[in-house]
Amino acid sequence: DAKTTQPNSMESNEEEPVHLPCNHSTISGTDYIHWYRQLPSQGPEYVIHGLTSNVNNRMASLAIAEDRKSSTLILHRATLRDAAVYYCILRDVRRGADGLTFGKGTHLIIQP
Amino acid sequence: NAGVTQTPKFQVLKTGQSMTLQCAQDMNHEYMSWYRQDPGMGLRLIHYSVGAGITDQGEVPNGYNVSRSTTEDFPLRLLSAAPSQTSVYFCASSYRVGTGNNEQFFGPGTRLTVL
Repeated sequence: DAKTTQPNSMESNEEEPVHLPCNHSTISGTDYIHWYRQLPSQGPEYVIHGLTSNVNNRMASLAIAEDRKSSTLILHRATLRDAAVYYCILRDVRRGADGLTFGKGTHLIIQP
Repeated sequence: NAGVTQTPKFQVLKTGQSMTLQCAQDMNHEYMSWYRQDPGMGLRLIHYSVGAGITDQGEVPNGYNVSRSTTEDFPLRLLSAAPSQTSVYFCASSYRVGTGNNEQFFGPGTRLTVL
């Protein structure tokens, strides 16, 4: 799978929007962009994924650049519960079942 | 649905001891996997299974065995524990094989310390 680059940490205020960036300049046409998050002392939790078009769900929005070399996870109104490590992961849809490749992710800090 | 459950939550072993970490899911998922997470690091894949009776190795399989006799259960066995296996272990499952377009569901983890 192609590699992703994320900032080590970001800080935001409660009830404000948060934009978490991810660069993936070597992405291939069959790579899906996945986001997971891991709250303290818990297992990872699926957030959202997409291929080319922007995606929305109840947790977040995913904005994908037109050239697909970057994407942004948007939390519309951050709460203290959103403090977590956020992982941006590429998965080639042609690949088999050999799991997700987690990097170090972005540690999101939410200030009250 | 209970989702993905793991037992025990915590375990302390002595070097050389063996034990089995349990993982079960009640979502009728065909794909299950085991990861380990060391402090400050991302998760690394140990073993995975694409269905009952079928298992394969991931990135870091040495020192671990798995089997999949039923769709629901995927136990991870440590044959002879070593301090290097001190980690947090996560089990995950997904509905279909091929994780490109599927979300994975993770269990709460087992925190293992090997003295």
